[in-house]
Amino acid sequence: DAKTTQPNSMESNEEEPVHLPCNHSTISGTDYIHWYRQLPSQGPEYVIHGLTSNVNNRMASLAIAEDRKSSTLILHRATLRDAAVYYCILSRNQGGKLIFGQGTELSVKP
Amino acid sequence: GAVVSQHPSRVICKSGTSVKIECRSLDFQATTMFWYRQFPKKSLMLMATSNEGSKATYEQGVEKDKFLINHASLTLSTLTVTSAHPEDSSFYICSATGTSGHLQETQYFGPGTRLLVL
Repeated sequence: DAKTTQPNSMESNEEEPVHLPCNHSTISGTDYIHWYRQLPSQGPEYVIHGLTSNVNNRMASLAIAEDRKSSTLILHRATLRDAAVYYCILSRNQGGKLIFGQGTELSVKP
Repeated sequence: GAVVSQHPSRVICKSGTSVKIECRSLDFQATTMFWYRQFPKKSLMLMATSNEGSKATYEQGVEKDKFLINHASLTLSTLTVTSAHPEDSSFYICSATGTSGHLQETQYFGPGTRLLVL
């Protein structure tokens, strides 16, 4: 499974946009890019996923580089409830197994 | 939609006993369910993948006789930790994917079960 690299931690201010980067230089042509987040003592929550084109949903936007070797999760206006560990994961098919890395711990300051 | 529940949410047991954890998809049929464990301050580690009606596929290093997985219906999978020992204490999380549309595009996770073995 192709690996992803994320910063260990990031800080943001409340109501400001947050850009969470992810590098996946060994991504293959059929790998989907998934983002999940996990609040303390809870199961992960799906955020967004994509293949080649940028994606938007009510939670976030996913910007995928043209060469697909990196992507960025964008939270348009961070709230205190967005404080979590964010995982960027590649999978061979959309519902296939997910291998979690260490993720980025996002803290949001009021 | 796409809610996954786990029961119990937390369990304390004595060393040597077996513990069963249930994972249910409440509003969709789950053709595939996954089991993970997570130690404090660590990431999730995939233990096994189970498809309804067939044997689970275990990840390398996971003892299948220690962690028994049964996926007998499209809405229920169980994980039994046999002869539990303190080192089995962990946060166990299941997830599920469905049969169509968005349900098959991603995994939906349960809230987790915290196991403490004394």
